[in-house]
Amino acid sequence: RKEVEQDPGPFNVPEGATVAFNCTYSNSASQSFFWYRQDCRKEPKLLMSVYSSGNEDGRFTAQLNRASQYISLLIRDSKLSDSATYLCAVPPGNTPLVFGKGTRLSVIA
Amino acid sequence: GAGVSQSPSNKVTEKGKDVELRCDPISGHTALYWYRQSLGQGLEFLIYFQGNSAPDKSGLPSDRFSAERTGGSVSTLTIQRTQQEDSAVYLCASSPEVSGGIQYFGAGTRLSVL
Repeated sequence: RKEVEQDPGPFNVPEGATVAFNCTYSNSASQSFFWYRQDCRKEPKLLMSVYSSGNEDGRFTAQLNRASQYISLLIRDSKLSDSATYLCAVPPGNTPLVFGKGTRLSVIA
Repeated sequence: GAGVSQSPSNKVTEKGKDVELRCDPISGHTALYWYRQSLGQGLEFLIYFQGNSAPDKSGLPSDRFSAERTGGSVSTLTIQRTQQEDSAVYLCASSPEVSGGIQYFGAGTRLSVL
């Protein structure tokens, strides 16, 4: 099993839809988890951190399932501006973050 | 405050030439990372520096690639005898610490080898 795995997508959803993607990780010792957003031809930027069961910020909810070793990102009421690639990042223990390859989201008018 | 700064933002070079890419991390961040990202692909880890410790060079793809970090701050990634397959965006990130710390990215250097 790879350290961090994501479905590459693309997820094509209409405006206003709710969309969710998962990220699985292999190291059960991981304690903190992150979602980054990367726009086309831009650098990744931190979207959300997840340190316990979950985190919510407006239309975005990140959840952690330790038993099944995955984190999820839920986006409600999708906007055109949400179109981007979403990267999850997991530190496999006391080491630097390992990034997933990203899930591409396209929100369509 | 200032974020991670990378220069140049774009670099076009001829095959076989050497290039140097610069990264100025966020002030006070002890950890610095270099990644490579080819078009449409994920982040490829290259190397990281943590304080005065020996760098982790495990991601460098060949001995043509090297990096230095002087005075615990600015870092330079050098690619010798560039090849066309080296064309990519080179991203630098810094974090307050290595162990699981949030990384903040610079805007990257887009390298094109003709």
